[in-house]
Amino acid sequence: GENVEQHPSTLSVQEGDSAVIKCTYSDSASNYFPWYKQELGKRPQLIIDIRSNVGEKKDQRIAVTLNKTAKHFSLHITETQPEDSAVYFCAASKGGSYIPTFGRGTSLIVHP
Amino acid sequence: DAGVTQSPTHLIKTRGQQVTLRCSPKSGHDTVSWYQQALGQGPQFIFQYYEEEERQRGNFPDRFSGHQFPNYSSELNVNALLLGDSALYLCASSFASGDTDTQYFGPGTRLTVL
Repeated sequence: GENVEQHPSTLSVQEGDSAVIKCTYSDSASNYFPWYKQELGKRPQLIIDIRSNVGEKKDQRIAVTLNKTAKHFSLHITETQPEDSAVYFCAASKGGSYIPTFGRGTSLIVHP
Repeated sequence: DAGVTQSPTHLIKTRGQQVTLRCSPKSGHDTVSWYQQALGQGPQFIFQYYEEEERQRGNFPDRFSGHQFPNYSSELNVNALLLGDSALYLCASSFASGDTDTQYFGPGTRLTVL
């Protein structure tokens, strides 16, 4: 089955810095890669996603890049703010049935 | 537009007991997936229901079972509870016939087994 590795497990940055979280996947058939943000005690919320026919996608301060050949994808957050502090999960799945495999999460801490 | 809802919010049970968790999908969604999220871990897929049938199942024992009703709502049942079943149980809904695989999560049910 699919295996998703996520790094780092913890990321501490100063407000205004950029943050990068990286994930690798094992199944070359995976074609959908969402990112979720989960604040303490709350539900995971989809913040951005990318499909295998696209190399990069941006939404304001958030961007995701995908390298299908290397089977890795990354989340980039620019101009970080304290409210960006949360656990971020990447996931990978094959289209259709959508059974995602999640990474173990990255705890992002943004210091004011 | 109502999002995904789950009940109850919290639940405390003892070993050996049985529990039922409930989920109502986002309006317009017809597929419900259940996940177990242990502390400090990512969500682990339990199973997915579509058209009142279990369509996919993750690596969970038969103690975990579910049901989907004609209105697309769903239940997760866990029998013979173990201490290791303590976790946040998340429900996520999606639209099977759409061109998107996007899932939306509910707030979860925090299950504690003593």
